[in-house]
This record gives sequence, C-alpha cells and structure tokens, in this order.
Amino acid sequence: AQTVTQSQPEMSVQEAETVTLSCTYDTSENNYYLFWYKQPPSRQMILVIRQEAYKQQNATENRFSVNFQKAAKSFSLKISDSQLGDTAMYFCAFMNTDKLIFGTGTRLQVFP
Amino acid sequence: ETGVTQTPRHLVMGMTNKKSLKCEQHLGHNAMYWYKQSAKKPLELMFVYNFKEQTENNSVPSRFSPECPNSSHLFLHLHTLQPEDSALYLCASSQSMDRGPISGNTIYFGEGSWLTVV
Repeated sequence: AQTVTQSQPEMSVQEAETVTLSCTYDTSENNYYLFWYKQPPSRQMILVIRQEAYKQQNATENRFSVNFQKAAKSFSLKISDSQLGDTAMYFCAFMNTDKLIFGTGTRLQVFP
Repeated sequence: ETGVTQTPRHLVMGMTNKKSLKCEQHLGHNAMYWYKQSAKKPLELMFVYNFKEQTENNSVPSRFSPECPNSSHLFLHLHTLQPEDSALYLCASSQSMDRGPISGNTIYFGEGSWLTVV
C-alpha cells in the first residue's frame, strides 16, 4: 500500500524568506503523480503544484518549486519569498489510478 | 470562487437524524469524490464516482450512503451517525477521459461541510 509521510508537523518562516517542506512516500509503482495542496483557514484545498513521476524536471509554479528525488522517494516543496498569505496547512499527496493519498500535513506560519 | 460547491457548510445533527450533504461541480468533470478530514488524521478517501458509477468504496460504514445522479452532483446521505463521525467532509472532482482509471488528473476540492454529531 502506498503511504505518504510528512515529518514536520509545524514550520515557521519570516516573510520574504525561503522555507522547505519535506515529504516522503512509499510505493512499488513506477508511474504515479505527486501533488502539494494548501489548506488555508477557509479549509478549501487548493492545488499548489503537480509533478509527474516520469518527468525528471522539477515542477515550478511562480514562488513554489519542488525537489523530486524519485530514487529516494522524496518530494519536498520550496516556497521562496514567503508571504503572509502562504500561512496554511500544506499537504503532500500521491496518486495513481483514481486514489489521492494524503500525508498528515505541515502547518506553516509566516511571520511579518 | 470555487468550481466545486458544497452545502450546507455547517451541519449539526443528532444520532438518530437523517440528513444529506450536497456537492455540485461546475467544471465539466466526470469524476467526483468524498473525503473525510478528522483532526490529526490524514484525509481519508471515502467514495469515488466516475461517470456516475461508483468505482471506490473505501470500507465506509453503511450509515454513509452516497448518491451520484449525474456527473455534476454528488450527495452523501447520513443516517444514525456516531459522534466520532464529526469531521470536515470534502467533496472533489476531476476530469476523466473515459471510464477507466482516472490517473493523474488534478483533483479540485470544495470548501467542505463541517459535520457535528451530537
């Protein structure tokens, strides 16, 4: 069975600084997809970034980028130039077929 | 504004009540999902519907009964729930190209329905 592990329950960062959130996963599959979702206090899950496992190039979306290490089964999220609006829960998720499996989340607090 | 709308946003019900959660997606997707989010636990997939057909029931107790009348609407009927069923219930949708596995398509979530069972 696939599992997703986020080992950092809470993180904090000062505004304009860079922070990296960790995620590891376990699977025997070769083809799969990885996601980072953000859940602000409104509770809506918002897609931050998506990575196809068959692509070696790390995905990037504006200030958000990932470090995808397939052999190590690691998928970390880097947030550059952190903003107060980045304060939220961040969930790493794994997908193959129709199942999206989430980690337990990392609560990120951005301080002014 | 989200393309996935859930109602009600908050629901308090007794253990003998019958209530329903409603989800509607305006994204033209063919797959819909129910997830349960409890405190200090990972999000749990409950049900998956693809082209109105249920393709996944993740060992959910029968007191939760889903219904998918069309690709745009998804319901979760609730009956004789327990206090431990109190949670945030998230609906989601994604695009699927055919009736096979949905793999890889981004899943879009609603804002959730807060359920409290008393």
